[in-house]
Amino acid sequence: KNEVEQSPQNLTAQEGEFITINCSYSVGISALHWLQQHPGGGIVSLFMLSSGKKKHGRLIATINIQEKHSSLHITASHPRDSAVYICATRTGNQFYFGTGTSLTVIP
Amino acid sequence: KAGVTQTPRYLIKTRGQQVTLSCSPISGHRSVSWYQQTPGQGLQFLFEYFSETQRNKGNFPGRFSGRQFSNSRSEMNVSTLELGDSALYLCASSTLHRGRRTEAFFGQGTRLTVV
Repeated sequence: KNEVEQSPQNLTAQEGEFITINCSYSVGISALHWLQQHPGGGIVSLFMLSSGKKKHGRLIATINIQEKHSSLHITASHPRDSAVYICATRTGNQFYFGTGTSLTVIP
Repeated sequence: KAGVTQTPRYLIKTRGQQVTLSCSPISGHRSVSWYQQTPGQGLQFLFEYFSETQRNKGNFPGRFSGRQFSNSRSEMNVSTLELGDSALYLCASSTLHRGRRTEAFFGQGTRLTVV
């Protein structure tokens, strides 16, 4: 079983701040996903990573395979970024999920 | 192209009943996976289907079952419902491209309440 830990659990930021959410996992993976869940339940896949770094707009995701660690960064945060961010790892055909980071961006 | 469609969006059932949830993947996607999300346990993997075959199963009792049809649509069935089965059930679709799994796209989920 892959233990996936996220930090922080809750995060409140002022609009415009740079935000970092961290994810650590315990066993080797084939891919790591960052997911965004807004109130109401729908989940959007933000990134799928197996190495290195990806950027999409104001979002940047990095992964360090050797250290079993990934980070999700949000630059120039905005209230519409308020959501729960979930880290998920894939090992073989199994998904393991972190407990999520609840982000609130205050105008 | 259309996204992942889950039906129904909301459902209320009584203990002991059974329920069937549906997931239509993105056109061309052959893999459908199911997840349960509860406040206490977070997101947990239920099972995955690829080309009508169950490829993997999470740690859930046999009351939870599923199937996939030739058009890749998948159904999930829960029999003898318990109060603890109240949750958001999500499905995701993906496929293989050159032997590697593509990014997963999630549906909006079905919120099941068992009373």
